[in-house]
Amino acid sequence: QQPVQSPQAVILREGEDAVINCSSSKALYSVHWYRQKHGEAPVFLMILLKGGEQKGHDKISASFNEKKQQSSLYLTASQLSYSGTYFCGTAETAGSNYKLTFGKGTLLTVNP
Amino acid sequence: KAGVTQTPRYLIKTRGQQVTLSCSPISGHRSVSWYQQTPGQGLQFLFEYFSETQRNKGNFPGRFSGRQFSNSRSEMNVSTLELGDSALYLCASSFTRNPPGAYGYTFGSGTRLTVV
Repeated sequence: QQPVQSPQAVILREGEDAVINCSSSKALYSVHWYRQKHGEAPVFLMILLKGGEQKGHDKISASFNEKKQQSSLYLTASQLSYSGTYFCGTAETAGSNYKLTFGKGTLLTVNP
Repeated sequence: KAGVTQTPRYLIKTRGQQVTLSCSPISGHRSVSWYQQTPGQGLQFLFEYFSETQRNKGNFPGRFSGRQFSNSRSEMNVSTLELGDSALYLCASSFTRNPPGAYGYTFGSGTRLTVV
């Protein structure tokens, strides 16, 4: 089951904040976040395991609400380098489910 | 340390032909996953291999197949190509033997397949 990301696209000015949401109808035990710049491979940002922990590095952080099967990615004081498409990937708890299912992505554009 | 290497980078094939794509994971990574990326659908899961065993397969027709070798290198094959198979094919490697829980994926740059 593909997770649903929102919004589909967002345009920011440098220094502004953004939140990208990811939700699933399935019970999850982990959520991954990746960023893909045009013409490049997706790059791993962070992983959140069930337990509701929040992670982050620099000005990018994320949370995982296990009960709601929702995760949010927070980008604060955005920089031009944050532009790209952000994907969440979810791993379900059911069975031996050796796959990561990705949402359709959120296109983030940061302008000067 | 070397990243995930995918070859070739670009391919142009004719409908009905078959194609083989290759992926060499990061040294020490034994899990390899394959994804098809298209503008409308995002990243669609094809299959995952660990220690030469396919552990999961996505909702793709049987024309899509793969395998993994003892050195963890993986190949995927698409037979009887259709125009709709045109896409960027990405492979990703991971350290863990467990379901994708504790470690992130490292993606290769992909193979851009165009079917004409």
